[in-house]
Amino acid sequence: DIQLTQSPSFLSASVGAKVTITCRASQNIFNYLAWYQYKPGRAPNLLIYSASTLQTGVPSRFSGSGSGTEFTLTIASLQPEDFATYYCQQLNSFPPITFGQGTRLELK
Amino acid sequence: QVQLQESGPGLVQPSETLSLTCSVSGDSIRGGDYSWAWIRHTPGRGLQWIGSIWAGGSTYYNPALESRVTMSVDSSKNQFSLRMNSVTAADTAVYFCAKAAWRLTLICPFPFWGPGILVTVSS
Repeated sequence: DIQLTQSPSFLSASVGAKVTITCRASQNIFNYLAWYQYKPGRAPNLLIYSASTLQTGVPSRFSGSGSGTEFTLTIASLQPEDFATYYCQQLNSFPPITFGQGTRLELK
Repeated sequence: QVQLQESGPGLVQPSETLSLTCSVSGDSIRGGDYSWAWIRHTPGRGLQWIGSIWAGGSTYYNPALESRVTMSVDSSKNQFSLRMNSVTAADTAVYFCAKAAWRLTLICPFPFWGPGILVTVSS
């Protein structure tokens, strides 16, 4: 199985700040990575796929980059609605479909 | 726009079988080449893919859960289902059904999800 390790696991930041979350894969997954935002009581929201392609309707303050084994999700200027937990998902091999352990982003 | 809705008991006894159904509207399970999935979330473990199914009934399961999981599809009702036996407290989670983003592949992101259903395993 491909393991995904996110860092940090917990992040505290202020509205307007720029934040970066990292996802490292246990082997080369090229650009086959997606990012989700999760809020309790709601369905996960797909933000980015193919490492850097913004899903339709997602604000442009979200961006993704990386390839191979290291990927980043950047939020350019945090808005109040962005405080949530973020997960990466590898799209390279199956089964199983795997996700990172999550990064919880909280208001400072 | 496709919509998904999970349904089933919110409380299951330990060692019993968890049974959930996902009802799909705005799209036809039978009509497309997309896979349909069950995924669960717990605060401690995050998101975990349980399995995926094609309209024709072919299934693919997470090896960690495969011995306890069965998925099925009822195209006439536009629904697909999940059964998980021998549940324990560790299976307490929010269960989501989802539709794959891309045709003809199981390895893809999930842009469409149901709202989720909390299933608690407890006596």
